[in-house]
Amino acid sequence: AQSVTQLDSQVPVFEEAPVELRCNYSSSVSVYLFWYVQYPNQGLQLLLKYLSGSTLVKGINGFEAEFNKSQTSFHLRKPSVHISDTAEYFCAVSGTGGTSYGKLTFGQGTILTVHP
Amino acid sequence: EAGVTQFPSHSVIEKGQTVTLRCDPISGHDNLYWYRRVMGKEIKFLLHFVKESKQDESGMPNNRFLAERTGGTYSTLKVQPAELEDSGVYFCASSQARGGGANVLTFGAGSRLTVL
Repeated sequence: AQSVTQLDSQVPVFEEAPVELRCNYSSSVSVYLFWYVQYPNQGLQLLLKYLSGSTLVKGINGFEAEFNKSQTSFHLRKPSVHISDTAEYFCAVSGTGGTSYGKLTFGQGTILTVHP
Repeated sequence: EAGVTQFPSHSVIEKGQTVTLRCDPISGHDNLYWYRRVMGKEIKFLLHFVKESKQDESGMPNNRFLAERTGGTYSTLKVQPAELEDSGVYFCASSQARGGGANVLTFGAGSRLTVL
């Protein structure tokens, strides 16, 4: 069984400031890790994913995340946010084997609000 | 490439009525998933089709929910009879057949169900 905890339900930040959205997970098996974003009235869009290899993963729109196995974390960062980054962000994990691919376990979401 | 299409985008029904949600995946995607987000909670897996076969339906809440994918193309999710706790946003996602590494899911915009 897997679980995902997003430590902040809401994160307000000013434009051009850096931001970090925190995600911790728990799993008894190896996992793949994902961050999705949902803009208003749109579907979930993949920001980035960690499958293996380098622990620093770069995604779209200037976002990056770092996989920390010892701390079971996958925090999302952006050095300078824009108004257009205002959205809800979801951290998710899936198993790596068998029929578990595509069966995602999500965190509760973090609403990022960027103020001018 | 057209994305994952879901309709209706919003449905309001009374308790005890029936609702059918439809999902059109990306053409050629064998895998189709249904997820649900109840207000204030995390997005949860409902079930997974591979072509027309149910691969995993472990997330279906009860027998009031019936999912079908005749012919391995579009899918429907019927709720009969609807209860108040069924209110939420129902997401559909699709992905190609599994190759190496994780399948990346493409999500639709969701169907919001409100049961009064």
